[in-house]
Amino acid sequence: DAKTTQPNSMESNEEEPVHLPCNHSTISGTDYIHWYRQLPSQGPEYVIHGLTSNVNNRMASLAIAEDRKSSTLILHRATLRDAAVYYCILRDPSEGGGNKLTFGTGTQLKVEL
Amino acid sequence: NAGVMQNPRHLVRRRGQEARLRCSPMKGHSHVYWYRQLPEEGLKFMVYLQKENIIDESGMPKERFSAEFPKEGPSILRIQQVVRGDSAAYFCASSRGQGSGQETQYFGPGTRLLVL
Repeated sequence: DAKTTQPNSMESNEEEPVHLPCNHSTISGTDYIHWYRQLPSQGPEYVIHGLTSNVNNRMASLAIAEDRKSSTLILHRATLRDAAVYYCILRDPSEGGGNKLTFGTGTQLKVEL
Repeated sequence: NAGVMQNPRHLVRRRGQEARLRCSPMKGHSHVYWYRQLPEEGLKFMVYLQKENIIDESGMPKERFSAEFPKEGPSILRIQQVVRGDSAAYFCASSRGQGSGQETQYFGPGTRLLVL
């Protein structure tokens, strides 16, 4: 399985944008890039996903590099409620691995007033 | 719309007892996944089930652990003769269809198992 690399932790101030990076240099052509987050004492929550083009939804934006070897999750205005562990996950449906999610260690985002 | 439901939320067992964890998927979802999160570690996939079928159990320990998803009722993760190392948070997720690379999994709040 292609692996992802994320910083262990990042800090942000409330109401400022946050850019969470993810490196996936061994990504295959069919891998989708997914982001989930896990708030304290809760189950993971879907954030966003994409394949090649940048994506926007009500929670965040996903910027994907042209060579797809990296991506960035963008929270436009961080709030205290965004403090969580953010996971960047690759999913390859062609290998049947599209069913399970393979979580790494993620990035712990701390948001301060 | 009810999300994925898990019960109990907290479960305490003594070594050697059995633990049964239940998961009711979201309405309209026929695919269920179980994950385990050991203390201070990331989530690890355990098993993927569809109604009455185990599709992928590559993450399940070979002994003492079993899972089912009957035609009627919730999915059950069963741990026999629990040991202290089984203490963890167990999360269930569900999806509408099988993995296409885009299918979103919706997670429940988890069951926190403590083995004394």
